[in-house]
Amino acid sequence: EVQLLESGGGSVQPGGSLRLSCAASGFNFRIYGMSWVRQAPGKGLEWVSTISDTAENTHYADSVQGRFTISRDNSKNNVYLEMNSLRADDTAVYYCAKILWSSRIIDYWGQGTLVTVSS
Amino acid sequence: DIVMTQTPLSSPVTLGQPASISCRSSQSLVHSDGNTYLSWLQQRPGQPPRLLIHKISYRFSGVPDRFSGSGAGTDFTLKISRVEGEDVGIYYCMQGTQFPWTFGQGTRVEVK
Repeated sequence: EVQLLESGGGSVQPGGSLRLSCAASGFNFRIYGMSWVRQAPGKGLEWVSTISDTAENTHYADSVQGRFTISRDNSKNNVYLEMNSLRADDTAVYYCAKILWSSRIIDYWGQGTLVTVSS
Repeated sequence: DIVMTQTPLSSPVTLGQPASISCRSSQSLVHSDGNTYLSWLQQRPGQPPRLLIHKISYRFSGVPDRFSGSGAGTDFTLKISRVEGEDVGIYYCMQGTQFPWTFGQGTRVEVK
């Protein structure tokens, strides 16, 4: 069974930083791409970032480009999202998600971790 | 960026009756490899999203056959043949043809 467990969310002041982690299990992590998707309170879904299986390729939404960094550790089955220069509009539930690249889809989602940016 | 527009934004339905959601993209979702990377997701209240349909019409593992997808190019449809209580939630279309991947605004399916 695919399981994705996010951690690292919490409250932070504007301009601050947070590092989200996602522990993956139940599948061969090292051969799948991974993504982060966020959902502001009461709002829709926004794709944030994607990393390829080998970490050779990364992609970012314009809204986070230059502030967020996605990375992975295939020896630990973990994917990370380093978030810097946080703003109020980054407040959201952040979902870790597994990708099936051949179909360009997100086929499994974690339960999410809440990030609140407020003074 | 490709903009995904869903209609309606809210769909009150009677249990046992059909429901239909439309999704239109601002440009063709046909990839250079010939595939169309349009998927549909369901988000039940308080839950993360769940994949229902990918590549326009392929049901994901475990998805009931009352869900079906159709369309081509820029116009796509998700149909629920007979709505059940567990189908209440918000439905999103998503394009994976080009980065940034983008979602529709969501359509709320609720029981009348």
